[in-house]
Amino acid sequence: QLQVQESGPGLVKPSETLSLICTVSGGSISSMSYNWGWNRQPPGKGLEWIGSIYYSGNTYFNPSLKSRVTISVDTSKNQFSLKLSSVTAADTAVYYCARGIVGATPLFDYWGQGTLVTVSS
Amino acid sequence: QSALTQPASVSGSPGQSITISCTGTSSDVGSYNLVSWYQQRPGKAPKVMIYEDNKRPSGVSNRFSGSKSGSTASLTISGLQAEDEADYYCCSYVGSFVVFGGGTRLTVL
Repeated sequence: QLQVQESGPGLVKPSETLSLICTVSGGSISSMSYNWGWNRQPPGKGLEWIGSIYYSGNTYFNPSLKSRVTISVDTSKNQFSLKLSSVTAADTAVYYCARGIVGATPLFDYWGQGTLVTVSS
Repeated sequence: QSALTQPASVSGSPGQSITISCTGTSSDVGSYNLVSWYQQRPGKAPKVMIYEDNKRPSGVSNRFSGSKSGSTASLTISGLQAEDEADYYCCSYVGSFVVFGGGTRLTVL
């Protein structure tokens, strides 16, 4: 059974960089059939897609966040990561990593439990 | 502001059927882009209930069904149960980007 799990600091200061890691277990991160994505959810609000990385290394980001986001994969560790720079209070959210199935629809079939990141001094 | 518009809330009594709409544009839902639907219970991660407009993943109850007409996709839940109370999000591609709807809170009366 595949599992994905987020890890990283729960508190980040304004203007600094938020860094999270997603560890994949029970399956390989190296497959052309899947992409690996990050989504977030501010407290009491809806879901927001941050971005995804494909087997090819291609990355796609939410246009509203593109200038501040980096997503990368470490196949040796079966992990992928998120970096979001110049954070503000508006970036306070539960961050989810998820496996996406490459296809005609956004299909995230395995999600992490989510990790709350608070931006505050 | 989401590109996909959902009603903020819907409600129904046990045993009834409800439908949640997801309205997009000719650039997303109304084009060749297919829709998926996610259920999110309080404090939990989202779970995919429908993908490619009307397909159910293994293990999802056949009480859940999806459809699409023009630029509006719909999720129908029949035989409503208390456990269906949750937030529901539609999701589609806009070009290479993923877009979620604003979410609909389903209350089972």
